[in-house]
Amino acid sequence: KAGVTQTPRYLIKTRGQQVTLSCSPISGHRSVSWYQQTPGQGLQFLFEYFSETQRNKGNFPGRFSGRQFSNSRSEMNVSTLELGDSALYLCASSLLRGRAQYFGPGTRLTVL
Amino acid sequence: TQLLEQSPQFLSIQEGENLTVYCNSSSVFSSLQWYRQEPGEGPVLLVTVVTGGEVKKLKRLTFQFGDARKDSSLHITAAQPGDTGLYLCAGADKETSGSRLTFGEGTQLTVNP
Repeated sequence: KAGVTQTPRYLIKTRGQQVTLSCSPISGHRSVSWYQQTPGQGLQFLFEYFSETQRNKGNFPGRFSGRQFSNSRSEMNVSTLELGDSALYLCASSLLRGRAQYFGPGTRLTVL
Repeated sequence: TQLLEQSPQFLSIQEGENLTVYCNSSSVFSSLQWYRQEPGEGPVLLVTVVTGGEVKKLKRLTFQFGDARKDSSLHITAAQPGDTGLYLCAGADKETSGSRLTFGEGTQLTVNP
């Protein structure tokens, strides 16, 4: 069974631009969560989607948004990029809410 | 806000030595997961512990969940260079149906041959 896939793997943007990251969960998994990983803050929860609805949201500004499609695939969007948004963005999927989460390889975003 | 304190932050040992990593919190978690992460990759799930006092073994790795479900430990016996990596503990938030993981800062383990 294929694991969680994330595209693109690497991305370079400039301040003020916006970016969309994509995540395909493990087949059959219905819950998708997003996390941001930085050297200073570690792994921080962004949001969780289940049945195309955002169920939980972390402490991030409204520039960070996401959505989930009927096939459980998810996208996250960051608008008006700031230098501090440079990070590894990780997507995790689980069979159901509250079950073990399996991570993808991440998208490395660099904001110049 | 739930916090997980992980210690030690860095650990460098020789092949064959034993080690223990600790994960502590003042909050109760519905479950706790341990991950290992290689540079440039996502965390890989090692184990999930759910019941207070639970002990799980994965070859040379032993995981324990505290009786009160507030702390956990990871013990590695006879460490090997292939065990090198960043070890992360993550608690599942009961209030969010266990969907929101709170991560510790991580333990960077280096096993020297």
